[in-house]
Amino acid sequence: GNSVTQMEGPVTLSEEAFLTINCTYTATGYPSLFWYVQYPGEGLQLLLKATKADDKGSNKGFEATYRKETTSFHLEKGSVQVSDSAVYFCALVYTGGFKTIFGAGTRLFVKA
Amino acid sequence: SAVISQKPSRDICQRGTSLTIQCQVDSQVTMMFWYRQQPGQSLTLIATANQGSEATYESGFVIDKFPISRPNLTFSTLTVSNMSPEDSSIYLCSVEERESYNEQFFGPGTRLTVL
Repeated sequence: GNSVTQMEGPVTLSEEAFLTINCTYTATGYPSLFWYVQYPGEGLQLLLKATKADDKGSNKGFEATYRKETTSFHLEKGSVQVSDSAVYFCALVYTGGFKTIFGAGTRLFVKA
Repeated sequence: SAVISQKPSRDICQRGTSLTIQCQVDSQVTMMFWYRQQPGQSLTLIATANQGSEATYESGFVIDKFPISRPNLTFSTLTVSNMSPEDSSIYLCSVEERESYNEQFFGPGTRLTVL
């Protein structure tokens, strides 16, 4: 079936460190892939997305590339800030579907 | 992009009572979703609510426990019935925009604590 697996957290980094949060997926066809972010006390909001292989989604300094050969969509940021502290969810919508399948979420703490 | 509001933002309830959560969208949408997010966990889809038809429930969720209304294209309610402490969670509603490749927009959530 369709599923999303992302690295367990929490991830703790110092400000200006490089961030990678791994995400791999299992899906039929060509799903659309998403990263959502949930800041403390808030709902989820879309961070970035990619809808076909080799697409790169980017927003607020974050990037993720849709890699079909490795079924991955890893999230990266070159220099994190304290304000990036949040929970990050990798997600997919499979071809022909409408339900979003979420990964378990990875909590990021950034220390000043 | 859709803007979603939820009421109440939080509540503390007694065991055995029921709470109705409201979700209001600033535009007309076909599909609305209700999720539960237990502390430190990911999102679990409760049901999909389409206007003019019965909600479609996911495995493990039943209409008697989580009745849903969808009277029009901008509003929905979720009721958590006969609550127990295990129902303590954040409840989120969301809508999907097909024009944006199934991107979802989420409300801020309702934080429910059952004593």
